[in-house]
Amino acid sequence: QSVLTQPPSASGTPGQRVTISCSGSNSNIGSNPVNWFQQLPGTAPKLLIYNYNQRPSGVPDRFSGSKSGTSASLAISGLRSEDEAGYYCAAWDDSLNAYVFGTGTEVTVL
Amino acid sequence: EVQLLESGGGLVQPGGSLRLSCAASGFTLGSYWMHWVRQAPGKGLEWVANINQDGSQKYFLDSVKGRFTISRDNAKNSVYLQMNSLTAEDTAVYYCGRAVGGAESYWGQGTLVTVSS
Repeated sequence: QSVLTQPPSASGTPGQRVTISCSGSNSNIGSNPVNWFQQLPGTAPKLLIYNYNQRPSGVPDRFSGSKSGTSASLAISGLRSEDEAGYYCAAWDDSLNAYVFGTGTEVTVL
Repeated sequence: EVQLLESGGGLVQPGGSLRLSCAASGFTLGSYWMHWVRQAPGKGLEWVANINQDGSQKYFLDSVKGRFTISRDNAKNSVYLQMNSLTAEDTAVYYCGRAVGGAESYWGQGTLVTVSS
């Protein structure tokens, strides 16, 4: 059972903004950096955001991350069809001594 | 070019063992924490284990403690996951990951482990 909770699904039309939440606790999001991963159908996960709001080179600035207390969020602006994928938050948990992933959110472009 | 290539997956009976390997290239393996992450069919990502740069620190998912071990050989550019006492709940695609929690995160394409009689 994951300790990071995400909504199971999110959707929007092309060009819209979609936001995905990730709820955790003081032992994970509250005290450690959060990464976000994108998993396109049938492929390996890919780093999208690291350290709450940093983008690796090559990731469009349509993707942005933020954190407030023990929650984090991923925003996708200017939604595109190629953004249809699974999105996972993740962070180290100091109480579990384990890296924990969120439950995952499937984004659909209508 | 950074590459991680997993191997060693396959079909194994309940109670059996498998050893997964992860061959790294395009970077200095000894500079990074390495991880194994799995994904059961139709399910989300689940972190399994990690190991620090020199192998002196290792952490495991509670449900695999005592059954799985992680090791590395920096000279051979390889990371390993020894899996014993396998059950159906261990059926998943297993991914090898570099610095999963950091800016230089990179993942292999995965190897499928199926535990079934």
